Amino acid sequence: DTGVSQDPRHKITKRGQNVTFRCDPISEHNRLYWYRQTLGQGPEFLTYFQNEAQLEKSRLLSDRFSAERPKGSFSTLEIQRTEQGDSAMYLCASSTWTSGRGATDTQYFGPGTRLTVL
Amino acid sequence: QQQVKQSPQSLIVQKGGISIINCAYENTAFDYFPWYQQFPGKGPALLIAIRPDVSEKKEGRFTISFNKSAKQFSLHIMDSQPGDSATYFCAASYRNDYKLSFGAGTTVTVRA
Repeated sequence: DTGVSQDPRHKITKRGQNVTFRCDPISEHNRLYWYRQTLGQGPEFLTYFQNEAQLEKSRLLSDRFSAERPKGSFSTLEIQRTEQGDSAMYLCASSTWTSGRGATDTQYFGPGTRLTVL
Repeated sequence: QQQVKQSPQSLIVQKGGISIINCAYENTAFDYFPWYQQFPGKGPALLIAIRPDVSEKKEGRFTISFNKSAKQFSLHIMDSQPGDSATYFCAASYRNDYKLSFGAGTTVTVRA
């Protein structure tokens, strides 16, 4: 178990550019979540996948954001036409979700990708 | 709007002291309440979690107290150590989808 990894760890871009982040979840985890964290705040939910299906997107996720999880393994989060307000830490988490009584979903977070939009 | 309110924003405690962080929620559909610990430059790590069918859960020096009627829960860090200096987040989620709603965080500083 190597943990959740994210790449890159830091990204500096100019306003209007497109950026793409990658998340590699813990092997065999069926759920993958994306959160955004701004300075001094808790993470905010953006979207999540169960296997390859994207089950929910937050209203925070504007049309400029798109996420994929092909084949239910790694995931990418793309931001098009970046704006200064997109500057934040983008966190990925994965979990093994089980249903039924006593279901649990412990989410393991990666180190995050810090995006700075100039 | 923030679904989980956390206080205080920061606290300083002496080594060996007790740190207490409080959280309150409005949505009675929440049924899973984890606490996460985050160090600078790292992602949050699960510390301890509780479900509303119990009023207290203890793991080592960390204890969650849960008051369902008041819709409040708190984290107690006993015998605080300098290595506990970090930001702590409470969170809440629903059983069916588990996306987490986080509080704003509490920065704990333990003075040696």
